[in-house]
Amino acid sequence: GENVEQHPSTLSVQEGDSAVIKCTYSDSASNYFPWYKQELGKRPQLIIDIRSNVGEKKDQRIAVTLNKTAKHFSLHITETQPEDSAVYFCALRENDYKLSFGAGTTVTVRA
Amino acid sequence: SQTIHQWPATLVQPVGSPLSLECTVEGTSNPNLYWYRQAAGRGLQLLFYSVGIGQISSEVPQNLSASRPQDRQFILSSKKLLLSDSGFYLCAWSDTFGSGTRLTVV
Repeated sequence: GENVEQHPSTLSVQEGDSAVIKCTYSDSASNYFPWYKQELGKRPQLIIDIRSNVGEKKDQRIAVTLNKTAKHFSLHITETQPEDSAVYFCALRENDYKLSFGAGTTVTVRA
Repeated sequence: SQTIHQWPATLVQPVGSPLSLECTVEGTSNPNLYWYRQAAGRGLQLLFYSVGIGQISSEVPQNLSASRPQDRQFILSSKKLLLSDSGFYLCAWSDTFGSGTRLTVV
């Protein structure tokens, strides 16, 4: 499947600061890019997604940017709060059926 | 509304025993269904996906198998579990995940 590289693998931020996670890919045919948040012991939950015809999308404190030319997309969390602590996964759809996931980023928000 | 059910939530099985995990969806017809495995502290590995009854695509060769006997039912099975089969198994419909099954093989 499509190789999705996600960085960093761990991220520790002070409460109130911003967190940025970046993913890169190689298949230019990818057209759907979701982000998931997984709290400890729970299922991954879709938090935001972006399609290839859009460069940026925002939902309250989270935003996603997509650069199709450079083949990377990023998740931005502003004004981080302790409840933002979780593992975040980027993903992309490489055809009509399958999602390929990054390896995940463990985000810790320090109070 | 569209919902996805997965059971059991946790399972402890001895090596060599069989496995059957079930997933059903409601509120949709002819869904694309997926089985993923997540090892502890790791990412999501796609095991199988199905675009219709009796249609199964395998992503990773292993001692697991999947079946789709009905439009909204997806089953993950094994005849003989290995220690390495331990993990968190997630059924998914499109972009939505079930609650997962934590399998420990002892």
